[in-house]
This record gives sequence, C-alpha cells and structure tokens, in this order.
Amino acid sequence: DAGVIQSPRHEVTEMGQEVTLRCKPISGHDYLFWYRQTMMRGLELLIYFNNNVPIDDSGMPEDRFSAKMPNASFSTLKIQPSEPRDSAVYFCASRARGFEAFFGQGTRLTVV
Amino acid sequence: KQEVTQIPAALSVPEGENLVLNCSFTDSAIYNLQWFRQDPGKGLTSLLLIQSSQREQTSGRLNASLDKSSGRSTLYIAASQPGDSATYLCAVTSGTYKYIFGTGTRLKVLA
Repeated sequence: DAGVIQSPRHEVTEMGQEVTLRCKPISGHDYLFWYRQTMMRGLELLIYFNNNVPIDDSGMPEDRFSAKMPNASFSTLKIQPSEPRDSAVYFCASRARGFEAFFGQGTRLTVV
Repeated sequence: KQEVTQIPAALSVPEGENLVLNCSFTDSAIYNLQWFRQDPGKGLTSLLLIQSSQREQTSGRLNASLDKSSGRSTLYIAASQPGDSATYLCAVTSGTYKYIFGTGTRLKVLA
C-alpha cells in the first residue's frame, strides 16, 4: 500500500476562494481523521469518520469548513470561502481500530 | 474532555545522552497511546503504539512506558544522536475513539 495520500501538497489561493483538500486512506482502515497544524495551536483534530460516517465534527472551526467521505477510499475537506487565518498544514490520517495511525504528507495551504 | 500535555516543550542535549520525554493526559480511560516524530516541514512518522493493557513497548533505542492510572507516558531515547533531532508527539485514543495529540517536545541533539 502506498500509505495515506493527500493532494494537493501545496495550495495557494486568494481570500474568498473555495479550497478542496483530498485524502485517500490506507485500504482496510475504518477510521479517517482530519487535522490542522499551526505553530500557535499545534495539531488540532477537525473531524473524524468511522466507516465513512462522521463521528465528531466538534473541531471544525466554522460553517465555512465541511468534510465528506463518500466511500471508504476517499475523503474531502472543503473551505468556502477561505480566509487568511485558514493558512496551515492540513493532515489526513487513517487507522484500523486498535492499531497505529498513519499520516499523509499534508497539504500546506496559504490563503493570501 | 481529554487534554494531552507534553513536557518539556523544548530540549537540547549533547550527543550520547539518554533522555526522557513526558506525556500527560487528563482522562485515564484510554484505548491506546502512540508516539510520533515529526521532522521540520514533514508529516508524522509513527514510533511506538502502546495498548491500554500494556506497560511498555520497545523499538531499537526507543522505549515507551504507560501508566494509565496516573495519566502518564514516557518516551526514553537511549544514546541520543543528531539524527534524533525532531519534534516528538504523543497521541491518545479515548472516548468515541477520538485521537488527541499533545503539544509536542522539540528535541535538538548536538553533535
């Protein structure tokens, strides 16, 4: 397996634009997590899914953020409209219950 | 609400020293705890996973211990090397299988 795959690796967009981040988890993993990492706040859990169903989205900062997992092999995190304070590195991770989690390489988002 | 804290926030040691990194969590009802390292500008690499029923796990020069009742885990690094320089993060799984990270310890090993 190629591991958790995130795209794009880097994204630069203008304030107000829609941004979509993508994640392909490891096959067979039933949990998928989205995190945001900044210098000030560290790694924050935004939302996580179990068997494609959102379990806890209490970390999603605002209604501008939304996440979907239409099937076991794909998830998206969307920001609409984007703002400069959304600039961060966004990580996706997947795991099978009881086993270690594996992280993607992250998407570095810059909103100007 | 589970909160995870790591002390110290930063650590600088000479090469060859043995060192201990600490991780504390407020809710002892965890399923497991995982240690990661993160190099600058990179993703997270898994180091060790300890299940709630275990007391420790070892991998090479790394040894992680878990004291669930007191809400603590330690990562012991033996004979540190400059290549060990990175940020070390712990994460606990608790509640509805929520996965919460600590604040991290930035380690620098001086040659």
